[in-house]
Amino acid sequence: GENVEQHPSTLSVQEGDSAVIKCTYSDSASNYFPWYKQELGKGPQLIIDIRSNVGEKKDQRIAVTLNKTAKHFSLHITETQPEDSAVYFCAASTAGKSTFGDGTTLTVKP
Amino acid sequence: GAGVSQSPRYKVAKRGQDVALRCDPISGHVSLFWYQQALGQGPEFLTYFQNEAQLDKSGLPSDRFFAERPEGSVSTLKIQRTQQEDSAVYLCASSLLTGGREQYFGPGTRLTVT
Repeated sequence: GENVEQHPSTLSVQEGDSAVIKCTYSDSASNYFPWYKQELGKGPQLIIDIRSNVGEKKDQRIAVTLNKTAKHFSLHITETQPEDSAVYFCAASTAGKSTFGDGTTLTVKP
Repeated sequence: GAGVSQSPRYKVAKRGQDVALRCDPISGHVSLFWYQQALGQGPEFLTYFQNEAQLDKSGLPSDRFFAERPEGSVSTLKIQRTQQEDSAVYLCASSLLTGGREQYFGPGTRLTVT
């Protein structure tokens, strides 16, 4: 089955700096790669996603890149703000089944 | 509009009891998913419905776990004879689309088995 590895597990940055989270996946059949933000006591919230036929997607301060050949994808957050502090999960999906990474706890220091 | 809702938000069960967890998806959403999230880990897929059809139940950990969505809307996840290792947050997600894209998650039900 699919295996998703996510790094780093924790990330601390100063407000205004950029943050990068990386994931690798194993199943070449995966064709959809969402990123979620989860705050304490809440369910994951979709923040950006990318399909396998696209290499990069950007939405304001967040962007995702996908390298299908190398089977890795990354989340980039620019100009970080304290409210970006949360746990971030990547996932790889095919035919309705999603496999999640173990999460990255991002702390943005004011 | 209203998001995905789950009830109860918290459930404490004694080992051996049966529990039923409810998910109300966003109205009109075709796809519904159940996940199990252990503390400090990512959600793990349990099962997937497209309307009332259960298309994938490969993630259900044992035959004590059962899910249904009889009318293609509300779904119930039932766990029989609960065990301590069942303690986790159970998340429900729905999607307007088929195939798992653009999932909207509910707040989850935290199950504690004592």
